[in-house]
Parts: sequence; C-alpha cells; structure tokens
Amino acid sequence: NAGVTQTPKFRVLKTGQSMTLLCAQDMNHEYMYWYRQDPGMGLRLIHYSVGEGTTAKGEVPDGYNVSRLKKQNFLLGLESAAPSQTSVYFCASSRQARRETQYFGPGTRLLVL
Amino acid sequence: SQQGEEDPQALSIQEGENATMNCSYKTSINNLQWYRQNSGRGLVHLILIRSNEREKHSGRLRVTLDTSKKSSSLLITASRAADTASYFCATDASNAGGTSYGKLTFGQGTILTVHP
Repeated sequence: NAGVTQTPKFRVLKTGQSMTLLCAQDMNHEYMYWYRQDPGMGLRLIHYSVGEGTTAKGEVPDGYNVSRLKKQNFLLGLESAAPSQTSVYFCASSRQARRETQYFGPGTRLLVL
Repeated sequence: SQQGEEDPQALSIQEGENATMNCSYKTSINNLQWYRQNSGRGLVHLILIRSNEREKHSGRLRVTLDTSKKSSSLLITASRAADTASYFCATDASNAGGTSYGKLTFGQGTILTVHP
C-alpha cells in the first residue's frame, strides 16, 4: 500500500494564479484532512472531510476550497494564490475520528511569488 | 490559535541520554497524540494517550498525561542519532456537542538533536 500520497511535491506560483493539490489514500479511510505548516510552527487545520461528498472548515480556511468527490481523494484548491499562502501543505487520513491515528502524506511545498 | 505549547523549543543531547519534552494545552481533550517529523518529511504517529489514561509506553517511548494540569510529557530513553527530529504534540478536543471529528491542534514542536 502507498498510504497517503500528495501531488505535486513542489510548486511555484505567481500571485493570483490558481492551482489544485491532490491527496490520495488507499487505506479506505473515511476521514481526511488538509493542514498547512509554516516555519517554526505546528500544523494548522485548513479543511477536513468526514466522508465522501462532505467537507468542513478548519482553523484557517480562508482562501482555500476543497472537494471530496471520491472517498480516496481529497483536493485542496487555491483560486487566487497570495504570498501568505506560501507554506508546506500536508494531507492526512484516518479510519475513524475519535482516538485514531492520522496518517500523513509527504507534503507539498508551495511558493507564491 | 495553537492550543499546545511545547517546551523546550530545542533540545540537544548525546547518544544514550534520555530526552524529555513537555506539552501544555488549554481546553479539555479526548486524547493527546505525539508525532515525529524528520526534516523535510511528513509526520509519523508515535503514540496516542486517551484522556482517562495517565501513562503509556511504546518501546523506548513513555508518555504521561496530567489532565488536572493540562500537560503531557514525552520521554525518549537511551536516545540514538536516528531520533533527531522535530516532535509535536497534538490534542483532539471535542466540540460543545461532544463529537470529535479528529480535528487535531498542534503545538509548535520541539527540535531534538542527538549527537553521536
């Protein structure tokens, strides 16, 4: 099993451009999460999904949209990138929510110029 | 806002020594988890301790939880150079209705360096 994979690994955008980050998991997990990590800080939750077709806002959702059309995929979109969105983005999944380990992908480094 | 506060921010020790990291949080929790992150990589789950547990062991790891003080500690015994990484605590807090969606709140992490 590949676990949680993320594409792309690295991307450079200009301010105002759009892009989509893809997260895929092959563990049949119900719950999926998008976090961002900024230098010297822990991870902050952007959006999450409790199942196929559902999404909800996390701690820092502004400027991002998400979709979960298939159970195994969770997409994070930036409609109009800003320099403040320069960060490392991590996707995670878990079988259940309560008292469950989250499995993380390797991350996507995004630089917005 | 970051619920977890970790202490120290950085820790440098020699191989074979023990390493202790502390985490404090602000609200009631369902569980507290510790993760490790090697440089430039994703997070790897180490251990989960439930709110009704006080201590948990996994190999060279020992985690304690004191809900009255809203604090936890991670002890790594007989450290190795391969333990060099950032360590994060993350809390899972239920909402007002008692439902947990697994929304983790992370501390800023402790950078551990183990010298050979």
